Amino acid sequence: DGGITQSPKYLFRKEGQNVTLSCEQNLNHDAMYWYRQDPGQGLRLIYYSQIVNDFQKGDIAEGYSVSREKKESFPLTVTSAQKNPTAFYLCASTRTSGSYEQYFGPGTRLTVT
Amino acid sequence: KNEVEQSPQNLTAQEGEFITINCSYSVGISALHWLQQHPGGGIVSLFMLSSGKKKHGRLIATINIQEKHSSLHITASHPRDSAVYICAVKAGATNKLIFGTGTLLAVQP
Repeated sequence: DGGITQSPKYLFRKEGQNVTLSCEQNLNHDAMYWYRQDPGQGLRLIYYSQIVNDFQKGDIAEGYSVSREKKESFPLTVTSAQKNPTAFYLCASTRTSGSYEQYFGPGTRLTVT
Repeated sequence: KNEVEQSPQNLTAQEGEFITINCSYSVGISALHWLQQHPGGGIVSLFMLSSGKKKHGRLIATINIQEKHSSLHITASHPRDSAVYICAVKAGATNKLIFGTGTLLAVQP
């Protein structure tokens, strides 16, 4: 079955540690996105990538980094510079031609203490 | 003011009721999405529309481009419809979406 996988579903880290969230898709989509979701707020875009080896900052990129070495994979690193890293992180992908419907992964809930 | 506003923020209904969730936006868009998020967190796309009306089962989505407004209707609501419903708009040349804050729907048996 085609889809997006994110792992792990729950992640716990100590303050000051970098942590990398995984996102893999087998939908053959060119574009991939990372969103952050906080209670009472809409999803906010962290980074996105329209093509392999290229990515752009979203609205809240500070304290995060990404890479896009393969079409299928778009890992997100939450660095120690991110002031409030505890949140629910969602990865999504879409085609860049035809239907632009976004497909979402199941999310990773990150807790930093 | 958010570029995408949803109302109501919270909605409680009795099973069988007709439900309407509204979305207003202030930017020019090329498409509008309705998404459903269950308590586990995963998000499912319900509709993507740029004009008119779409129907899928008991769900109906409409959009009025001139008034910058969309509605999501659920007919014969059921407890399994309980979820957060999110409106998102595609604005600009990229596929980036701007999200509303969601409507939490609880359908009681």
